[in-house]
Amino acid sequence: AQSVTQLDSHVSVSEGTPVLLRCNYSSSYSPSLFWYVQHPNKGLQLLLKYTSAATLVKGINGFEAEFKKSETSFHLTKPSAHMSDAAEYFCVVSGYLTGNNRKLIWGLGTSLAVNP
Amino acid sequence: DTEVTQTPKHLVMGMTNKKSLKCEQHMGHRAMYWYKQKAKKPPELMFVYSYEKLSINESVPSRFSPECPNSSLLNLHLHALQPEDSALYLCASSQLTGPQYFGPGTRLTVT
Repeated sequence: AQSVTQLDSHVSVSEGTPVLLRCNYSSSYSPSLFWYVQHPNKGLQLLLKYTSAATLVKGINGFEAEFKKSETSFHLTKPSAHMSDAAEYFCVVSGYLTGNNRKLIWGLGTSLAVNP
Repeated sequence: DTEVTQTPKHLVMGMTNKKSLKCEQHMGHRAMYWYKQKAKKPPELMFVYSYEKLSINESVPSRFSPECPNSSLLNLHLHALQPEDSALYLCASSQLTGPQYFGPGTRLTVT
């Protein structure tokens, strides 16, 4: 069975400092992994995806994540936080197959606050 | 273009009303999804359509009735809802094995 754990429910950083949002996953086979972002009162936006190609994945808005199989981790990073990065971030694993469909397994989310 | 559109953006309905939520995508995706999201929680899957056929129903109450008229459209018909059904309803689409792309959602309030 697949599962995902986001290790921090809240992260607070100062503008211009690095961002690290931690995610560990569990999967019985090679998973696809995603990070989604949700700004207040908005829908979910795909930040980046890992699908067994390069282990360092670059996404939108300067975010990137590194897939580490030995550590079963997929942490999200950004070198310098902007005020506009304040949002809820979800780590997601896809690997549960039902027929032709994959059911996404969601982490509980990390709320990122960016202080001026 | 990775846009999924949803209408309306906001909906207030009484417990005896009938209303519908609409979702549209033009990315050629053959899988479409309905999710329910409560505040500060991850989205919960409700329904999955694959090639316009319902393939997953996550034990959703019958007061929610999905419909997929064609490969670009997805509707969610609502009837006799309860106040606890108030939530953000999200539509998503994907290729069968690709990432899901979400719409902006419909904020539903049941009074």
